Amino acid sequence: QKEVEQNSGPLSVPEGAIASLNCTYSDRGSQSFFWYRQYSGKSPELIMFIYSNGDKEDGRFTAQLNKASQYVSLLIRDSQPSDSATYLCAVLEDTGFQKLVFGTGTRLLVSP
Amino acid sequence: NAGVTQTPKFQVLKTGQSMTLQCAQDMNHNSMYWYRQDPGMGLRLIYYSASEGTTDKGEVPNGYNVSRLNKREFSLRLESAAPSQTSVYFCASSEAPGSFLAKNIQYFGAGTRLSVL
Repeated sequence: QKEVEQNSGPLSVPEGAIASLNCTYSDRGSQSFFWYRQYSGKSPELIMFIYSNGDKEDGRFTAQLNKASQYVSLLIRDSQPSDSATYLCAVLEDTGFQKLVFGTGTRLLVSP
Repeated sequence: NAGVTQTPKFQVLKTGQSMTLQCAQDMNHNSMYWYRQDPGMGLRLIYYSASEGTTDKGEVPNGYNVSRLNKREFSLRLESAAPSQTSVYFCASSEAPGSFLAKNIQYFGAGTRLSVL
């Protein structure tokens, strides 16, 4: 099974700053990655996915994929206290049936 | 549309009791999943159903059974609950995993918080 590593945090940033969340993965052949956000006591919800090298932007969120270095990042610009949550990175595993393998998540705290 | 609905939301069991967690989706998705989430362990896949009529083991299947009742419903059964099964259980569904990446997006239910005493 593919492995996905995330720093558990918490990552603390002040309001308005850029939060940078990182994820490394073990299988160099991995192609596709997903970022989910999970508020305390709630279920995960998709933020965005990325499958090609480089950046993908959606509003205040930017996903960055570097396949050579085997890491994927999520940048949150103009961080807000409402962004405080756990962010889960997932890699798409293809062993006959494509399914997601999740990292343990990074807890983000945005202080006013 | 409700999306993915799980019942119950909370449950307390005694060791050795059995129970079934219910999950239903109204998005006409082909694939469904059961995860458990424990502190520091992330989401771990228990079982999945690629399509109606099929089920397969995930990473942590021991102590669980599943039934894909129809396209909408996927249940998880604990035959003899153990304290190690205290966890938050999430059901998820996806359209039809394949080369089109968006079809791999998993949508999650609200979760069932289970305590086994």
